[in-house]
Amino acid sequence: QSVLTQPPSVSGAPGQRVTISCTGSSSNIGAGYDVHWYQQVPGTAPKLLIYGNSNRPSGVPDRISGSKSGTSASLAITGLQAEDEADYYCQSYDSSLSGSVFGAGTKVTVL
Amino acid sequence: EVQLVQSGAEVKKPGESLKISCKGSGYNFISYWIAWVRQMPGKGLEWMGIIYPGDSDTRYSPSFQGQVTISADRSISTAYLQWSSLKASDTAMYYCVRRGVGWDFDLWGRGTLVTVSS
Repeated sequence: QSVLTQPPSVSGAPGQRVTISCTGSSSNIGAGYDVHWYQQVPGTAPKLLIYGNSNRPSGVPDRISGSKSGTSASLAITGLQAEDEADYYCQSYDSSLSGSVFGAGTKVTVL
Repeated sequence: EVQLVQSGAEVKKPGESLKISCKGSGYNFISYWIAWVRQMPGKGLEWMGIIYPGDSDTRYSPSFQGQVTISADRSISTAYLQWSSLKASDTAMYYCVRRGVGWDFDLWGRGTLVTVSS
């Protein structure tokens, strides 16, 4: 069981908006540690999508956004495209484990 | 080009030892932490541990402490992950990743597939 909880799957039609939640606790997200998001297209290495809760690395489109509040964080994808079909993982630091933790991942399906 | 280049796929038998590598280039290798992340077949990402090549300060996830050894050779900008006695359950893809300014992982290697089978 992952320290960070994500829904196993979300889906949406092209052009729609989907959100992925990431729920933690007082030893990670709730303690003020940043949340980061990764996209993994099947058969490839993960890629950093959002860092520091809401910042996009160069090259990540602005239709992808992140937010954090309390013990949870969210990733939003607007204007859903076929290329967004992938697995998405949230990640943070956990003080009780003294290290990084990942969510179990969410599969995004474009209908 | 800023990159992490990992060693090739390995097929081993249970009980054998193994050391895989991760070479950084295009940036100051000794100034960034390098972590290892496991992904078992069809499963999610698991943080194994992390090393600072500048002084070899190393931290392990409680789940992997005592199961693997992380090391680095700063003179050749290379980090390592090693096992002394592999098990079938070690079959997985292993990624080396660079830790960014925060605890984000901003640069990923392409992964090394380790298969352990008798």
